[in-house]
Amino acid sequence: QKEVEQNSGPLSVPEGAIASLNCTYSDRGSQSFFWYRQYSGKSPELIMFIYSNGDKEDGRFTAQLNKASQYVSLLIRDSQPSDSATYLCAVIPGGTSYGKLTFGQGTILTVHP
Amino acid sequence: SAVISQKPSRDICQRGTSLTIQCQVDSQVTMMFWYRQQPGQSLTLIATANQGSEATYESGFVIDKFPISRPNLTFSTLTVSNMSPEDSSIYLCSVEEWGWNTEAFFGQGTRLTVV
Repeated sequence: QKEVEQNSGPLSVPEGAIASLNCTYSDRGSQSFFWYRQYSGKSPELIMFIYSNGDKEDGRFTAQLNKASQYVSLLIRDSQPSDSATYLCAVIPGGTSYGKLTFGQGTILTVHP
Repeated sequence: SAVISQKPSRDICQRGTSLTIQCQVDSQVTMMFWYRQQPGQSLTLIATANQGSEATYESGFVIDKFPISRPNLTFSTLTVSNMSPEDSSIYLCSVEEWGWNTEAFFGQGTRLTVV
């Protein structure tokens, strides 16, 4: 079983729709959860982090964490073509230092006009 | 936020040779991390580099293949040794920044092609 698993994608949504990206993780002791966006040929950039159960909103982005289900998701409202990228879910496993991230395989999102 | 300069940005190398990638940070950081991203794949941690001690390698990565130096708190190098085409990847360095928004920052990456 992979430590961090994302919905396989690719995911295609029309402009203005909600894009839903999902991630599950195997280490129940994990405490920190991140969503990175990576444009083709570029390095990852952090768009959201979440530590506590529940929802966290930042502009058009909402991260949702459910530690009991070991599930974290990212919702992108009013999707724009500029949101087209690969989205990487990352987790800091229990007992490790910050920065030592375990990444999911990524979900390719395409927002079409 | 930390600014990370990584070089070279890309290189094409002959098999059997070695390449050293440099990572410079604009502030002092305790730990630096080296990741590999193989074509079409996600990021995999190679090792953690601490100043003043040996790097800590993840399962599947060994010091002979990926020697790392960390001479001070703002600089690290990763060498990819005795390269084969399977080493063709993007190599990224990363640093952590603690605070209200604790996060990991990435350099722009080194795109390595081994022919």
